[in-house]
Amino acid sequence: KNEVEQSPQNLTAQEGEFITINCSYSVGISALHWLQQHPGGGIVSLFMLSSGKKKHGRLIATINIQEKHSSLHITASHPRDSAVYICAASVSNTGNQFYFGTGTSLTVIP
Amino acid sequence: ETGVTQTPRHLVMGMTNKKSLKCEQHLGHNAMYWYKQSAKKPLELMFVYNFKEQTENNSVPSRFSPECPNSSHLFLHLHTLQPEDSALYLCASSPGLHYSYNEQFFGPGTRLTVL
Repeated sequence: KNEVEQSPQNLTAQEGEFITINCSYSVGISALHWLQQHPGGGIVSLFMLSSGKKKHGRLIATINIQEKHSSLHITASHPRDSAVYICAASVSNTGNQFYFGTGTSLTVIP
Repeated sequence: ETGVTQTPRHLVMGMTNKKSLKCEQHLGHNAMYWYKQSAKKPLELMFVYNFKEQTENNSVPSRFSPECPNSSHLFLHLHTLQPEDSALYLCASSPGLHYSYNEQFFGPGTRLTVL
C-alpha cells in the first residue's frame, strides 16, 4: 500500500465543471505538495501547504491534518487544465523524504 | 520555463554504455534532487543534495552515480544500466531543504531508454 493515495485515478470533465481531486496519506507530514504534470513530462509545483487552505486563480487546495486528507479543486475547468495532478507528502523537517501519489489524470473536454 | 534545465532531453543507450545526465538551475537554490518516474508508478526520489553535499541516497543501485560540483549543477552518471532503468529522470531544485521552503522546481526531464 502506498503511503499516499489519490482518487480518482482518471477523471474526465466537461469544460466549466467544478473538479475535485483527493489525496489521503498515512504518514506524519511536514508539508503537502500538489504538482501538475503536462504531457511531455514537465512538472510544475502548484501548492505547498501544511494547514488550512490556499488559492491561486481557479485552483484551491485544502488540507485537514487530523483526517490526513487534502483536496485540490479546480473551478470553471478548461481544456488547458488537462494534465496529471500529483500529490506529494514531505515527511521530514529536513526535506529529505517525499512520498508521491500515482497521480490523477484529468481530461477536460470542450 | 521553471529555471531548471536538463540535457539531453532524450537518450538511448546500450547496457554497456556510459553516459551522463546534466541538470542546471538558475534560481539561486541550495538544494537539488534527482527523481525517477517509471510508467504507472509514483515518482521515486533518488538523491538529494544540499549545498553540494549529498544528504539522501534512497537505496539507489551503484550503476547510478550522482555528482554535484556546485549548488547550480547536478549530474547523474550512468553505467551498465538495465532495461528496467528506462524511465523519465527528473531534476528539481528548491530554496532549501527545510519543509517550509522546499517547494520543488522541476526540469523538463530526460527520457532514457536502455536497450
